[in-house]
Amino acid sequence: QVQLVESGGGVVQPGRSLRLSCAASGFPFTSYTMHWVRRAPGKGLEWVALILYDGSNEYYADSVKGRFTISRDNSKNTLYLQMNSLRTEDTALYYCVRHTPMDVWGQGITVTVSS
Amino acid sequence: EIVLTQSPGTLSVSPGERATLSCRASQSLSSTSLAWYHQKPGQAPRLLIYGASSRATGIPDRFSGSGSGTDFTLTISRLEPEDFAVYYCQHYAGSPLTFGGGTKVEIK
Repeated sequence: QVQLVESGGGVVQPGRSLRLSCAASGFPFTSYTMHWVRRAPGKGLEWVALILYDGSNEYYADSVKGRFTISRDNSKNTLYLQMNSLRTEDTALYYCVRHTPMDVWGQGITVTVSS
Repeated sequence: EIVLTQSPGTLSVSPGERATLSCRASQSLSSTSLAWYHQKPGQAPRLLIYGASSRATGIPDRFSGSGSGTDFTLTISRLEPEDFAVYYCQHYAGSPLTFGGGTKVEIK
């Protein structure tokens, strides 16, 4: 079945880096735009970044621009989010999401930025 | 950036009643670029409506979306127990994509 499985989360100190991965299965990954969306504790959903189906273009929320990089490896059906210079306000549950509009969501992976 | 404002923040409704949720955009949107999602505790969000009024796959017909320009509405005709959740509108007319702040639909 169609599935997105995130990995790579954890606890990290401010200023450090972390890379999230999202393994896709059950659909033609190379045909779909992919996103990262996050939900901070007690807050609503926030779009983070998107990458086009072929990796030709990426777009970012202002809150992460210059610090986060979205990428994909279509040969491995995997989406990535490289997060650098992490801040406490990046603490959230991060979701890997398919397509626009967002029709398939992973279960999410927790990132905690704390000293 | 297009700001989406949802109201009310919390809606208390009895099962079987009708719920009407509002989403107002800070600038006019193409109706093809407005979606609604809901999120239940401990679960990932789920797409309900796209293109302002088209139901996503598997979404029951008690959910309906309407609106254009800057004002959009999600209506749940008869609330079932599984419908109590937080509801978000979202635009995808261009970057940055944004979500509204959410409406919590709770049991009265």
